[in-house]
Amino acid sequence: EAGVTQSPTHLIKTRGQQATLRCSPISGHTSVYWYQQALGLGLQFLLWYDEGEERNRGNFPPRFSGRQFPNYSSELNVNALELEDSALYLCATAPPAGGRDTQYFGPGTRLTVL
Amino acid sequence: QKEVEQNSGPLSVPEGAIASLNCTYSDRGSQSFFWYRQYSGKSPELIMFIYSNGDKEDGRFTAQLNKASQYVSLLIRDSQPSDSATYLCAVKYNNDMRFGAGTRLTVKP
Repeated sequence: EAGVTQSPTHLIKTRGQQATLRCSPISGHTSVYWYQQALGLGLQFLLWYDEGEERNRGNFPPRFSGRQFPNYSSELNVNALELEDSALYLCATAPPAGGRDTQYFGPGTRLTVL
Repeated sequence: QKEVEQNSGPLSVPEGAIASLNCTYSDRGSQSFFWYRQYSGKSPELIMFIYSNGDKEDGRFTAQLNKASQYVSLLIRDSQPSDSATYLCAVKYNNDMRFGAGTRLTVKP
């Protein structure tokens, strides 16, 4: 069974540009979570999508946004990039909301803002 | 505020020893508990989950849960240098998953 996939693996942008990151879930998973992990720091929750809807949002500015497509894949968009946005962006997916099931992580996208 | 607390470490143990990683959580309604391992620059990988009070063993790993004390731990027996990583504790209540900041473990040959 294929795991969670993310693209691109690495992304280099300059300050003020926009970045788009993509995530494809494990088959059967409907929930997608996005996290930011700056170097040496813990996971910071960004967004949660389930069944095409944004269900929850972490403490991040509106320039962080995303969407979930009918096939349950997801995009994270970061507008007006700032240097401090440089981080590993992790996508995690889970089965339909509720229950005890955990989240499974993709390999991440390393975003570098110059 | 639902919090998950871990000692940041670093925790250093010699090869072959038992590594003990601890985690406390604040939400008494938490239902599911997970341990992830994260190597530097890589994504977290699920290694253990536990739902009920007591111990759960899987190979060299044992997860322990005490809901009354709101405490979950991970024991790694016969620690190997390849176990050197950051270990994340995660606690789930309904659809809300909270992660601790992680404990960095170093196993010295």
